[in-house]
Amino acid sequence: GAVVSQHPSWVICKSGTSVKIECRSLDFQATTMFWYRQFPKQSLMLMATSNEGSKATYEQGVEKDKFLINHASLTLSTLTVTSAHPEDSSFYICSARDLGTGSSPLHFGNGTRLTVT
Amino acid sequence: DAKTTQPTSMDCAEGRAANLPCNHSTISGNEYVYWYRQIHSQGPQYIIHGLKNNETNEMASLIITEDRKSSTLILPHATLRDTAVYYCIVRVGGIQGAQKLVFGQGTRLTINP
Repeated sequence: GAVVSQHPSWVICKSGTSVKIECRSLDFQATTMFWYRQFPKQSLMLMATSNEGSKATYEQGVEKDKFLINHASLTLSTLTVTSAHPEDSSFYICSARDLGTGSSPLHFGNGTRLTVT
Repeated sequence: DAKTTQPTSMDCAEGRAANLPCNHSTISGNEYVYWYRQIHSQGPQYIIHGLKNNETNEMASLIITEDRKSSTLILPHATLRDTAVYYCIVRVGGIQGAQKLVFGQGTRLTINP
């Protein structure tokens, strides 16, 4: 089945530094990937849609200059949290869809837990 | 995409069938019903999806009412590892790539020994 891999699975960084999270589709190509954020005891919130070869589309309220998204190939999207602050500490999850069939489901990575100290 | 309504929480005894309901009364004709679950500190896991017919796979069964306004996910023999938050989502199918999923609050299912 379709597998989405995220790296790293957890990261601790100091306030003011930047952190890059990778999302890879391992056995399929994905022209579109999605980035979500999840705070404790809350549901997943969509942050942005990552489009291969073009600019990402951000959801309302998500700062595009803070959360840089690059989708340089059909199997890799990266999310960079720039100048991270403690309030950016969260669980970040990516997803991608195999375009094999029209109704094929989105598959999710196992998430990256970011802690900013 | 149509909105869904799910109970906040449910309990089920281990070994019994867990039936998780979902209301999607405003679903349109080209929207599929998807079920995902999220075990603590992991990414969501796809379970099953359907359009109008009932579906079954190795994980679960999906029963969609004839008017498509509601559905039920059935885990036939629940185990402790099925404890998770279950999300019912409806979205349009099609081959477009930009079919994002919007998550509600889901149902927190607890399987009791």
